[in-house]
Amino acid sequence: EVQLVESGGGLVQPGGSLRLSCAASGFTFSSYEMNWVRQAPGKGLEWVSYISSSGSTIYYADSVKGRFTISRDNAKNSLYLQMNSLRAEDTAVYYCARGPWNGYIDYWGQGTLVTVSS
Amino acid sequence: NFMLTQPHSVSESPGKTVTISCTRSSGSIASNYVQWYQQRPGSAPTTVIYEDNQRPSGVPDRFSGSIDSSSNSASLTISGLKTEDEADYYCQSYDWVFGGGTKLTVL
Repeated sequence: EVQLVESGGGLVQPGGSLRLSCAASGFTFSSYEMNWVRQAPGKGLEWVSYISSSGSTIYYADSVKGRFTISRDNAKNSLYLQMNSLRAEDTAVYYCARGPWNGYIDYWGQGTLVTVSS
Repeated sequence: NFMLTQPHSVSESPGKTVTISCTRSSGSIASNYVQWYQQRPGSAPTTVIYEDNQRPSGVPDRFSGSIDSSSNSASLTISGLKTEDEADYYCQSYDWVFGGGTKLTVL
């Protein structure tokens, strides 16, 4: 059974940093492209970042470019999102999601809530 | 880039059929696949339609997807509505563009 379990969310002050993790199981993680997708409270879905299976190709949404860094450790079956210079508008549930670039998401994690507030 | 526009909300009675539209603002709807995701209250999204009209295993055949080039839109149709279908539905296409979501109420 495919499982994606996010962790690392919490309350952080504006300008602060947070690192999200996603533990993958039930499939060959190193063979799959991955994404982070977020959802602000009461709002719709917003794609945040993509990473290829090897980690060699990475894309970001304009809203997070230069502040967020996506990475993966295939040996640990884990996906990460380092978030720096956090703003109030980054407050959202962050989902780890399996899917190819310009494809579709076939599995979603349960999400982890990030709250940016003083 | 383009936008995907969905109605804010739709409602229908159990047993009936409902269609949710997703209109592309520029470029042809047929030029890139459209996906549909269901998100029940308090839960993560799940995929109900991918590549315009394909259903993942486990999704009932009451769910179907289509595209209409004349209106430059994609549609999600749910027949034989059940109360468990009450959820938010999001379309998504090229470049990870998402529609704003449609709240389906089954009353």
